[in-house]
Amino acid sequence: EDKVVQSPLSLVVHEGDTVTLNCSYEVTNFRSLLWYKQEKKAPTFLFMLTSSGIEKKSGRLSSILDKKELFSILNITATQTGDSAVYLCADHASGNTGKLIFGQGTTLQVKP
Amino acid sequence: DAGVTQSPTHLIKTRGQQVTLRCSPKSGHDTVSWYQQALGQGPQFIFQYYEEEERQRGNFPDRFSGHQFPNYSSELNVNALLLGDSALYLCASSLAGGRANEQFFGPGTRLTVL
Repeated sequence: EDKVVQSPLSLVVHEGDTVTLNCSYEVTNFRSLLWYKQEKKAPTFLFMLTSSGIEKKSGRLSSILDKKELFSILNITATQTGDSAVYLCADHASGNTGKLIFGQGTTLQVKP
Repeated sequence: DAGVTQSPTHLIKTRGQQVTLRCSPKSGHDTVSWYQQALGQGPQFIFQYYEEEERQRGNFPDRFSGHQFPNYSSELNVNALLLGDSALYLCASSLAGGRANEQFFGPGTRLTVL
């Protein structure tokens, strides 16, 4: 059965720190891997990764995919209190129906 | 441009009751997916609707059913509620003809079953 595992489950850092969140997956017919940020309710889209080794970047956030080792990382540099959230990793399952398989999430708390 | 909207925001029901949750997709989107997110967990896929039909279903019992209307909005119905159905129910919309894996989520409906 398709599976996505995130680590760590929770993380507490101070403002200005750099964090790395991990996501490993076991999925048949891999299509893409997505990262979402969930602050209160609605997960908001961060990145979609389809190719190995190509870094996606948005401001202080960046992400990369390794299709050989079946994992992705999300980096956040110079963290701010506004980065406090649950970060979800999701895999796009086989077919074209768009079903997403989510990991359990990493809860990040950034202290002032 | 209105994003994905859901109603109601919160709902409290008792065991055995039935509930209907509603979702309006982002403008221009024609596909709606429903997810259940238990506390401290990632969202779990319930099912997806496209062209008013259920296109794919996750590992949820038949107590969970849905519907999609011609205007692409959708409903999620849960019958014979159990305590374990307490969760945040998320609706996500996407464009079937586009990159279907770019799903945009609504704010969710928090269901509490007592």
